Amino acid sequence: DAGVIQSPRHEVTEMGQEVTLRCKPISGHNSLFWYRQTMMRGLELLIYFNNNVPIDDSGMPEDRFSAKMPNASFSTLKIQPSEPRDSAVYFCASSYRALNTEAFFGQGTRLTVV
Amino acid sequence: DQQVKQNSPSLSVQEGRISILNCDYTNSMFDYFLWYKKYPAEGPTFLISISSIKDKNEDGRFTVFLNKSAKHLSLHIVPSQPGDSAVYFCAASSNNNDMRFGAGTRLTVKP
Repeated sequence: DAGVIQSPRHEVTEMGQEVTLRCKPISGHNSLFWYRQTMMRGLELLIYFNNNVPIDDSGMPEDRFSAKMPNASFSTLKIQPSEPRDSAVYFCASSYRALNTEAFFGQGTRLTVV
Repeated sequence: DQQVKQNSPSLSVQEGRISILNCDYTNSMFDYFLWYKKYPAEGPTFLISISSIKDKNEDGRFTVFLNKSAKHLSLHIVPSQPGDSAVYFCAASSNNNDMRFGAGTRLTVKP
């Protein structure tokens, strides 16, 4: 398996524009997580899905952020409109929801909003 | 709120010595704890884990200790090697649901 695949690896956009980050989880995994890495808070959990259903989105910072998982092999994180303070590295991770299993991370998307 | 805390942003040790990375948590519902290692421009990779029914788990040079009463866990690396230099994240989950991470500790192992 190729692991968790995120695209794009880098995204530079202007303030106010819509940004869509994409994630393909590992085949067979049924939990998917979106994280944002910041210096102050480390890896912040934004939202996670079990069997394509959003379970907890309390970490989503504002209504400008939204996430979807239309099927087991694809998820998106959208920011609309984007702001400079959204600049960060965004990670997607997936796991098999069973007792005591680790999550596998993608390589991340570095987002820069200018 | 930060349910998992790593209060030391950085740690520097000499090659061959022991590295001790610490982590505290506040949610008593957490029952599974993990350590991840992260190199620049890469995603975090799983290193070692421990269930709440244990107080120690060892894998080669890496040992994780769990003190449930203190809500504290630590990662010991011995002997430390220059290749261990990375950012280490502590994580915790409950009932195999969400996985919460700390802010990370940057470990530098000097030759």
